[in-house]
Amino acid sequence: QKEVEQDPGPLSVPEGAIVSLNCTYSNSAFQYFMWYRQYSRKGPELLMYTYSSGNKEDGRFTAQVDKSSKYISLFIRDSQPSDSATYLCAMTPGASKIIFGSGTRLSIRP
Amino acid sequence: NAGVTQTPKFQVLKTGQSMTLQCAQDMNHNSMYWYRQDPGMGLRLIYYSASEGTTDKGEVPNGYNVSRLNKREFSLRLESAAPSQTSVYFCASSEAAGGPYEQYFGPGTRLTVT
Repeated sequence: QKEVEQDPGPLSVPEGAIVSLNCTYSNSAFQYFMWYRQYSRKGPELLMYTYSSGNKEDGRFTAQVDKSSKYISLFIRDSQPSDSATYLCAMTPGASKIIFGSGTRLSIRP
Repeated sequence: NAGVTQTPKFQVLKTGQSMTLQCAQDMNHNSMYWYRQDPGMGLRLIYYSASEGTTDKGEVPNGYNVSRLNKREFSLRLESAAPSQTSVYFCASSEAAGGPYEQYFGPGTRLTVT
């Protein structure tokens, strides 16, 4: 079993829809949770970062962490075609290497 | 300020050939990483260097070697390329290892081994 599981998609939604992307994990020591966005033929870029449980909001993006369920989510409100990309969750216990999910490919239809 | 640069951008090798992928960062970061990305597998860590002078194995180190040449540069060497090493290779750097330090990625090297 992988330490981090992520549905690869692809996920296709109409412009303006709310998008929900999710990851589950098995290592209860994970404390730092991140979402990276990767456009086609580019390197990943950090989108959001959350420490421990709770919610974090940044514009149209909201990251949620539920440590009791070992489940993290990224919500995108009012989705735009420019949000079309692969989204990778990532997590780490702390001063250690980061474990990435396999990524979910998202397409926003105009 | 170029961030993380990688050379070459594309490479085709025959089985058994060797090559070195180069990576440099200009952000004065302490930690550097090499990942490979394959369809459905996400990013898998090959090797990393938490600080200048140290290197450690990641999840998939077999068939690779690394050198942290100085604080800026971290190279990845394939001694005898195999078709299974066909992949996109990303170099990344961060201020320090692990969370909450953001990793900055280069543009990638697309390697095909025939």
